[in-house]
Amino acid sequence: EIVLTQSPGTLSLSPGERATLSCRASQSFSGSYFAWYQQKPGQAPRLLIYGASSRATGIPDRFSGSGSGTDFTLTISRLEPEDFAVYYCQQYGSSKYTFGQGTKVEIK
Amino acid sequence: QVQLQESGPGLVKPSEILSLTCTVSGGSISSYYWTWVRQPPGKGLEWLGYIYDNGGTNYNPSLKSRVTMSLDTSKNQFSLKLNSVTAADTAFYYCARDRLYGSGSFGFDPWGQGTLVTVSS
Repeated sequence: EIVLTQSPGTLSLSPGERATLSCRASQSFSGSYFAWYQQKPGQAPRLLIYGASSRATGIPDRFSGSGSGTDFTLTISRLEPEDFAVYYCQQYGSSKYTFGQGTKVEIK
Repeated sequence: QVQLQESGPGLVKPSEILSLTCTVSGGSISSYYWTWVRQPPGKGLEWLGYIYDNGGTNYNPSLKSRVTMSLDTSKNQFSLKLNSVTAADTAFYYCARDRLYGSGSFGFDPWGQGTLVTVSS
């Protein structure tokens, strides 16, 4: 099983600042099977990025994804008030999906 | 656009069967994978498994012996059954469209709003 470890656990930032979230995998896999999701309290997760770097429909361009192999990054260029949420990374490998434990982006 | 809605009992007794249905509207259930994810209150996400439109399934090995998924194309619905439940199965249960393809995935999109299932006597 591929284990995904997200860091940091919590990111305290102010609106307008840049957020950099990391997701590291226990073994290398294809970025074609890697995604990022955003979840706000009381809501279902929302797809942000798929294929490691492609934005989902309707996702603002301040969200970008990058990485390959075992290291992947989600960058939010300038935080808007609505971006404060929990972010999860996800991969599909060996016929199984796994999620990271989440990074909470909170208002400083 | 495609919308998903989970339905089923919100309370299940220990050792009994948790049964949920996801109704797909605004699009066909055909030609996609359909997945279930759960989230214990205040915790992270766990993938339970998916079912393809031909009825083929793939379950999370950690739950494989207890999970069964099925679909009803005539009703545009797919279902989850989890047997021998315990308090550890208390969670929000989400259904989602899984856009898996031969050499990659377009991710889980859209998701249902989720339904809380509590396991308690």
